[in-house]
Amino acid sequence: SQTIHQWPATLVQPVGSPLSLECTVEGTSNPNLYWYRQAAGRGLQLLFYSVGIGQISSEVPQNLSASRPQDRQFILSSKKLLLSDSGFYLCAWSEDRGTEAFFGQGTRLTVV
Amino acid sequence: ILNVEQSPQSLHVQEGDSTNFTCSFPSSNFYALHWYRWETAKSPEALFVMTLNGDEKKKGRISATLNTKEGYSYLYIKGSQPEDSATYLCAFMMGTSYDKVIFGPGTSLSVIP
Repeated sequence: SQTIHQWPATLVQPVGSPLSLECTVEGTSNPNLYWYRQAAGRGLQLLFYSVGIGQISSEVPQNLSASRPQDRQFILSSKKLLLSDSGFYLCAWSEDRGTEAFFGQGTRLTVV
Repeated sequence: ILNVEQSPQSLHVQEGDSTNFTCSFPSSNFYALHWYRWETAKSPEALFVMTLNGDEKKKGRISATLNTKEGYSYLYIKGSQPEDSATYLCAFMMGTSYDKVIFGPGTSLSVIP
């Protein structure tokens, strides 16, 4: 069966520090991968999606970036965090376009 | 700007009550509409994937309908139970943008025992 792992679960980082959140999927090949963010009081916002290794599409301009160095690994990064980067980040995967997404446990990021 | 709206924002019902809420989305370039349930301290979990106008899907006490021409979907819960307490999210997928998914803000349901 397929599983998705996302870590860390919580993170407190100072403004200006770098960020690296990692997500891995097991039990499937060539998944579509997604990074979402939920800011306080708002819905889920798609940040990045990837349909294959090295293929990253960004939905929202920001100081975040994503990479997919391996088929089932998706990394969310920032060189310098802003206060506005605080939020709840979710990684997800789906088999194909339009099929249901399976979500990781999420990372609560607080930038102080 | 594409907008997906959900109403009501929150809902409190007594155990045993039936309830329903709405997801509104753009009526053009429809590809799919997903419903997810998000319980506190857990990950969002898919309830339904709906692709055809007029679709009606059911899972236990929960069902959903889809009207792509007018841009809305209803989620129904029959005989609400405390374990149904969660935030219910709908997600609209456009036909013209590969894998572009727009989530609504969610409806928070609390079922009072």
